[in-house]
Amino acid sequence: DGGITQSPKYLFRKEGQNVTLSCEQNLNHDAMYWYRQDPGQGLRLIYYSQIVNDFQKGDIAEGYSVSREKKESFPLTVTSAQKNPTAFYLCASSIGGYADSPLHFGNGTRLTVT
Amino acid sequence: DAKTTQPTSMDCAEGRAANLPCNHSTISGNEYVYWYRQIHSQGPQYIIHGLKNNETNEMASLIITEDRKSSTLILPHATLRDTAVYYCILGSINAGGTSYGKLTFGQGTILTVHP
Repeated sequence: DGGITQSPKYLFRKEGQNVTLSCEQNLNHDAMYWYRQDPGQGLRLIYYSQIVNDFQKGDIAEGYSVSREKKESFPLTVTSAQKNPTAFYLCASSIGGYADSPLHFGNGTRLTVT
Repeated sequence: DAKTTQPTSMDCAEGRAANLPCNHSTISGNEYVYWYRQIHSQGPQYIIHGLKNNETNEMASLIITEDRKSSTLILPHATLRDTAVYYCILGSINAGGTSYGKLTFGQGTILTVHP
């Protein structure tokens, strides 16, 4: 079955450590996205990529970094510079990033930093 | 600034139609209306989208007013499994004619379906 796989589902880290969240898709989608969700709030866009080797900052990119070396993979690194990293992280993809193109989401990674 | 306005919460009896409203009075001509839903601790699920015309698929119907300033998502026969947060959002094409596909999610409507 085609879809988006995020791993791991739960992740625990100590403060000051960088951590990388995995996102893989086998939908052959060009565009991929990372969102963050805090309790009781909507989704906020961290980074997005319309094509391999290109990505753009979203609304809350500070303290995060991404890479897009392969079409199917869009890993997110949460660096020690991110002030409040504990959150639910969601990866998504879409065909070409066009307006007439629904997002397909993974089931998220819940990161806890202590 | 929020581009869409939705009620914070709604209730619906199982088996009845759930009608979820959304206001988007500043919608521009090339913006699509999208609906997603999210069940606790899962990723959002795409439901339906439209530009001008009403749309229907196996999950729901989308009614867009003629002036496009508001829309309604209709779940024809709600079940307990439809309890979720429902997001109404706009997907836009930028001035250059291409889209970066950025969708801004607000807080949505918590729909509770009860027996």
